[in-house]
Amino acid sequence: QVQLQESGPGLVKPSQTLSLTCTVSGGSLSNGGYYWSWIRQHPGKGLEWIGYIFYSGNTYYNPSLKSRVTLSVDTSKSQFSLKLSSVTDADTAVYYCARLVIVEKDFDYWGQGTPVTISS
Amino acid sequence: QSALTQPASVSGSPGQSITISCTGTNSDVGGYSYVSWYQQHPGKAPKFMIYEVSNRPSGVSNRFSGSKSGNTASLTISGLQAEDEADYYCCSYTSSNTWVFGGGTKLTVL
Repeated sequence: QVQLQESGPGLVKPSQTLSLTCTVSGGSLSNGGYYWSWIRQHPGKGLEWIGYIFYSGNTYYNPSLKSRVTLSVDTSKSQFSLKLSSVTDADTAVYYCARLVIVEKDFDYWGQGTPVTISS
Repeated sequence: QSALTQPASVSGSPGQSITISCTGTNSDVGGYSYVSWYQQHPGKAPKFMIYEVSNRPSGVSNRFSGSKSGNTASLTISGLQAEDEADYYCCSYTSSNTWVFGGGTKLTVL
């Protein structure tokens, strides 16, 4: 059973960089059948796809966030990470990592989510 | 990329059937058979329920079914049960190689 677990600070100051890590267990991050993705959910709102990374390091980002987002992967630690720069209170959300099935283009496994608040 | 359009809420009594719609454009829902659905209980992560418009992952009840016509996808839940009360989100792959979600629908089991 694949499991994903997000970790990182729950509070970030405005204008700083939000950094989160997702640890994958029960499956290989290097499996070529999947992308590894970040999705966020603003309080009481819907879901927003942030971007994905392949185990090789190839990335693709939501154009609305592209200028501020960087995804990276460390296959030796079975982890992938999100950095979101110049945050504002509009970035306050629950952040989820998820496995994206390349062929089916769906998100089959999700982490439990980690809430991040942007506040001074 | 605008969010897909879902009704804010739907309701039904135990044993009844309900349908949740999800409307997009030719660049997402209408252009691909890559529509998926997710169930989210309060305070929990979304759960994968339907993929490629109408396929159920292993372990998902056959009370859940999906379909699509033109730019609108639909999720139908038959034989409603109390445990089905949750938020439901549709998601579609897009022509920009991105993914877009619906705004979510709150299902109330009366």
